[in-house]
Amino acid sequence: DVVMTQSPLSLPVTLGQPASISCRSSQSLVHSDGNTYLNWFQQRPGQSPRRLIYRVSNRESGVPDRFSGSGSGTDFTLRISRVEAEDVGFYYCMQGTHWWTFGQGTKVEIK
Amino acid sequence: EVQLVESGGGLVQPGGSLRLSCAASGFTFSNYAMSWVRQAPGKGLEWVANIKQDVSEKNYVDSVKGRFTISRDNAKNSLDLQMNSLRAEDTAVYYCARGSNLGVWGQGTTVTVSS
Repeated sequence: DVVMTQSPLSLPVTLGQPASISCRSSQSLVHSDGNTYLNWFQQRPGQSPRRLIYRVSNRESGVPDRFSGSGSGTDFTLRISRVEAEDVGFYYCMQGTHWWTFGQGTKVEIK
Repeated sequence: EVQLVESGGGLVQPGGSLRLSCAASGFTFSNYAMSWVRQAPGKGLEWVANIKQDVSEKNYVDSVKGRFTISRDNAKNSLDLQMNSLRAEDTAVYYCARGSNLGVWGQGTTVTVSS
């Protein structure tokens, strides 16, 4: 099974400052079809999760451009260029290349 | 507007059964694989099962194999999850989601397994 490891698990941030979450997989996420199925999800308090980023770096419609995804192979990163109050919540990476597994989640909170 | 609405959750005793449903609207349901994901109280997300557009393939996480069955009715735009032999560790909010990579989520339905 592919294990997804996120760090940090807790991320206190200052409003207006950047934030970065790392996600590492136990094996390469490059699919035989050439795509890399690495997604990022946001779950605000009391809400359902929503997908922010798919296939490493593609932003969903309506997602602010302060969110960006990058990486390749086994190492991936979600960046928030300037954290806003509405960004508080949990963030999860998920791979869909070798079955489907989530990272443990990273809690983003305001300092 | 794309919408997924789950129903069917509730309180059930260990060993019991429950059937969850997800009503889809706002998109061509038959064009998408569909998934179930759960979240135990205070815990992270866990993929549970998915089903291809044409029902040709169904996949399950090991912990529910042989107990849960995913199904769909493309004519009715609906997705189901039949859950048998329920255990305390199946207690969670269950979400249906569009696609195998979970592009759209419902609001979830709560399943509590307890005596």
